[in-house]
Amino acid sequence: EDQVTQSPEALRLQEGESSSLNCSYTVSGLRGLFWYRQDPGKGPEFLFTLYSAGEEKEKERLKATLTKKESFLHITAPKPEDSATYLCAVRGGSYIPTFGRGTSLIVHP
Amino acid sequence: EAQVTQNPRYLITVTGKKLTVTCSQNMNHEYMSWYRQDPGLGLRQIYYSMNVEVTDKGDVPEGYKVSRKEKRNFPLILESPSPNQTSLYFCASSRTVGDTQYFGPGTRLTVL
Repeated sequence: EDQVTQSPEALRLQEGESSSLNCSYTVSGLRGLFWYRQDPGKGPEFLFTLYSAGEEKEKERLKATLTKKESFLHITAPKPEDSATYLCAVRGGSYIPTFGRGTSLIVHP
Repeated sequence: EAQVTQNPRYLITVTGKKLTVTCSQNMNHEYMSWYRQDPGLGLRQIYYSMNVEVTDKGDVPEGYKVSRKEKRNFPLILESPSPNQTSLYFCASSRTVGDTQYFGPGTRLTVL
């Protein structure tokens, strides 16, 4: 059974204070690890897909990395508009993706 | 504009009264799916569809039905809703299975 654990559950940062979110996973035959951003009352919004260990992707202040057991979402010099819940999901051999419970990020001005 | 739409956005109903939540996408995607999101449990897949007339159960299919008669539409049917189906529901689509999923805005359902 595929499993995804995200930590921390909640994170409070000051504007400009860089940090990282963790997504640990176990999956039989990784076919993709996905990061999404979800604002309150809205649907998840796609950020990144990573397929193999060592892969990295960047978008503005966000950078996602992948190892064989975990993925990190690094947030550099965050701004208040980066406040959201960040979801990680993996897809293995089945067609059913497994989502983590998310990390709720609040960035204070 | 490429998008996934859901209707209604909010629905309050009573136990046993059949309801349908519609989902439509305008991206010609083959793969569509339904999720429910509950506090502390995260997103869980209810049903998915690989293409027209091809549907299959996800992790939590009990109490739900779906159909895929057209490529763009994937309605979720609750024939006899119960209070434990009170949740936030999302429809999603992707070009193919395993590809990036695009989510709708969500439907907040309350069953009394």
